[in-house]
Amino acid sequence: DTQLTQSPSTLSASVGDRVTITCRASQSISSWLAWYQQKPGKAPKFLISRASNLQSGVPSRFSGSGSGTDFSLTINSLQPDDFATYYCQQYNSSPYTFGQGTKLEIK
Amino acid sequence: EVDLVESGGGLVQPGRSLRLSCAASGFNFQDYAMHWVRQLPGKGLEWVSGISWNGAHIEYGDSVKGRFTISRDNAKNSLYLQMNSLRTEDTAFYYCAKDLTMVRGLGIFDIWGHGTLVTVSS
Repeated sequence: DTQLTQSPSTLSASVGDRVTITCRASQSISSWLAWYQQKPGKAPKFLISRASNLQSGVPSRFSGSGSGTDFSLTINSLQPDDFATYYCQQYNSSPYTFGQGTKLEIK
Repeated sequence: EVDLVESGGGLVQPGRSLRLSCAASGFNFQDYAMHWVRQLPGKGLEWVSGISWNGAHIEYGDSVKGRFTISRDNAKNSLYLQMNSLRTEDTAFYYCAKDLTMVRGLGIFDIWGHGTLVTVSS
């Protein structure tokens, strides 16, 4: 199985900041990586597919990059609505696996 | 509006069975692969199982293989998860999720249900 390791586990930032979350795969997954946002008590929300393809309706301040084993999610000019937990997920091969999550907190 | 609504969760004793259902609306259910994803309370996400548009292709995560069975009824726009031999470690919120792509699916979850809580405890 492909393991995904996100860092950091927790990230404290302020409104207006630029933040980056990284996701490292235990083996190459090409660009078969997705990102999700989850708020407390809610289901995850799909943000990005194929490492960098923004889902329709997702604000352009979100961007993804990477290929192979190293990926990142960047949020420019943080907004209050962005404080949540973010997960990466690989769909290169079954079983589809998720990173452990990165909680983005208000500083 | 696209919606997925799970039902069937609850409290069950270890070793017993439970069947989850997911009612889909707002999209052509019969065209898309579907999945179950679970989340332990306060913890991360774990893909449980996926099924292709016609049920011909089915996959399971290692932790549920041999105990859980996924199925679908396209005439009823419904997805199911039969859970047998339940263990305490199966306690989680169970989400029904639509695959982004048609037919067999890629394993990308673009629409999620609201979730149903399964608690396995004596």
